[in-house]
Amino acid sequence: EVQLVESGGGLVKPGGSLRISCAASGFIFTKAWMSWVRQAPGKGLEWIGRIKSKTDGGTSEYAAPVKGRFTISRDDSQNALYLQMNSLKTEDTAVYFCTTDKTYSYDSSGYLRYWGQGTLVTVSS
Amino acid sequence: DIQMTQSPSSLSASVGDRVTITCRASQSINTYLSWFLQKPGTAPKLLIYAASSLQRGVPSRFSGSGSGTDFTLTISSLQPEDFATYYCQQSYGFPPWTFGQGTKVEIK
Repeated sequence: EVQLVESGGGLVKPGGSLRISCAASGFIFTKAWMSWVRQAPGKGLEWIGRIKSKTDGGTSEYAAPVKGRFTISRDDSQNALYLQMNSLKTEDTAVYFCTTDKTYSYDSSGYLRYWGQGTLVTVSS
Repeated sequence: DIQMTQSPSSLSASVGDRVTITCRASQSINTYLSWFLQKPGTAPKLLIYAASSLQRGVPSRFSGSGSGTDFTLTISSLQPEDFATYYCQQSYGFPPWTFGQGTKVEIK
């Protein structure tokens, strides 16, 4: 069974930093591409970034609102995905979900098959 | 970025009704279109990918169709557990992936 478990959310002041994590199991993490999606309170879904598998280059792409402030990384030895968030703004307040982006070799990127339960990040003074 | 527009934004329906939600892309996305269901306080769940492929474990009352810019999600017979918000999402070419604004399905 695929499981994605986020952790590390919390309250942070504007301008501050936070790193959230996602522990993955139930699929071959080393081959998977992964994404982060967020949802502000009462709002819709917003894709914020993706990281490819190391065998496919390990590169990452970001949405414009977070580019230059957020960094996605992965530790394949731990089956873990990370989102480092710097220079946080009040508008970054949201539940952050990690998702599989390309779960299987036959998938196209962007089929967000599996999701974690999310972790809440609140940016407030 | 590719814009995704869903309609309607909300609808009221009864158990057993046939429900249709539409999604329009601002440019052609071939069939790189997924549909999700989300209940309050929970993560979205993938229902349909590649416009018409049913995700494993999803009931067959859900179906998707369309290509290019116009897509449809159909629930053939609405069940109590289907009352939720539905989102479409495109994954054409390169990121950013973008979502529709959501359609809330409520009990009539």
